[in-house]
Amino acid sequence: RKEVEQDPGPFNVPEGATVAFNCTYSNSASQSFFWYRQDCRKEPKLLMSVYSSGNEDGRFTAQLNRASQYISLLIRDSKLSDSATYLCVVTVDDKIIFGKGTRLHILP
Amino acid sequence: GAVVSQHPSRVICKSGTSVKIECRSLDFQATTMFWYRQFPKKSLMLMATSNEGSKATYEQGVEKDKFLINHASLTLSTLTVTSAHPEDSSFYICSARGSGRVLDTYNEQFFGPGTRLTVL
Repeated sequence: RKEVEQDPGPFNVPEGATVAFNCTYSNSASQSFFWYRQDCRKEPKLLMSVYSSGNEDGRFTAQLNRASQYISLLIRDSKLSDSATYLCVVTVDDKIIFGKGTRLHILP
Repeated sequence: GAVVSQHPSRVICKSGTSVKIECRSLDFQATTMFWYRQFPKKSLMLMATSNEGSKATYEQGVEKDKFLINHASLTLSTLTVTSAHPEDSSFYICSARGSGRVLDTYNEQFFGPGTRLTVL
């Protein structure tokens, strides 16, 4: 099993819809979790950290499920500008592991 | 968030030459910096981790003599691609991580804008 797995997509979603995707991790000792966003030919940018209690930032909600070892990202009222690749990042001790990313296309 | 700069943003060089890429944390002290490379439509691949004042730790399959990393200060790390070949053409991205006292959340990484290397 890969350390961090994501559905590569693409997810083609109409503007205004809600979209969610998950990321599973294999190491139960994983400590920190993040979602990054990467636009084409650009560097990844931190979207949000994922806390045990879950967190929400505007239209974005991130959840952590330690029992099932996955994190999720929910985007409500999707905008065209949300089109990007979303990378799941998990840290174990000092090791930082990136998922391969989920591509999201918001359709007008 | 914290700011990380990278220079140059784009470089084209001839095969056999060496290229140096700089990564700077502008508003925080980066105890750890990471170097990644990314091929088109592929995920980031960690090349090495460097801690200030010590030797870099390279990932399996990454030649340390080819990709020289120096992290001489808390705000600067450099990656030198020695004797570059066309297969080294890629997007190189650095990231920096500070201490918990500097950034709100330990373990957050902040990325530089990347350097696109083309070796002819």
